Amino acid sequence: NAGVTQTPKFQVLKTGQSMTLQCAQDMNHNSMYWYRQDPGMGLRLIYYSASEGTTDKGEVPNGYNVSRLNKREFSLRLESAAPSQTSVYFCASSATYQNTEAFFGQGTRLTVV
Amino acid sequence: GIQVEQSPPDLILQEGANSTLRCNFSDSVNNLQWFHQNPWGQLINLFYIPSGTKQNGRLSATTVATERYSLLYISSSQTTDSGVYFCAVQVAAGNKLTFGGGTRVLVKP
Repeated sequence: NAGVTQTPKFQVLKTGQSMTLQCAQDMNHNSMYWYRQDPGMGLRLIYYSASEGTTDKGEVPNGYNVSRLNKREFSLRLESAAPSQTSVYFCASSATYQNTEAFFGQGTRLTVV
Repeated sequence: GIQVEQSPPDLILQEGANSTLRCNFSDSVNNLQWFHQNPWGQLINLFYIPSGTKQNGRLSATTVATERYSLLYISSSQTTDSGVYFCAVQVAAGNKLTFGGGTRVLVKP
């Protein structure tokens, strides 16, 4: 049982380049999330999808877009990467968007130079 | 928004020691989770514990929702317990987990 799978695990981008982070879950969860973690800090929510077909902004959405491709997959896109987006990105999923346990992927370490 | 404070920020233990980590939160919550972030960065689910007490091996957790705190107990610590422990909460009307700042634990052999 893979749980939440993210790709890639590591990525280096030049300023201005674009990329998409992929996330897939095999737990039949309705809700999915993208978080970022910066050094010495906890995780902050970028975007979430409460259910298939819906997406909403979290607390730090600027510079990002998301797509809920289907129930399993939720992607995060950086259209024009900036050094401030250097971070570790985590995808998560939960059965529903309230009051259920969230499970996290292994993270993507992104460096923008 | 809700504030989540964890203490202590850093903890150094000798292998075999016991410890207690605390998480205080500023509002009523419907969800509380404890995670262990290992040295490779992976977030491991420890407990889903909006209230009550749970135990899993050498770890146990207690949440007193009415007093807005949760405790994580580590007994007979091992070097593999090293890492950062995060508490995360979800408010009744909210839709995201709010993380505390974490407790960094180092267990020395």
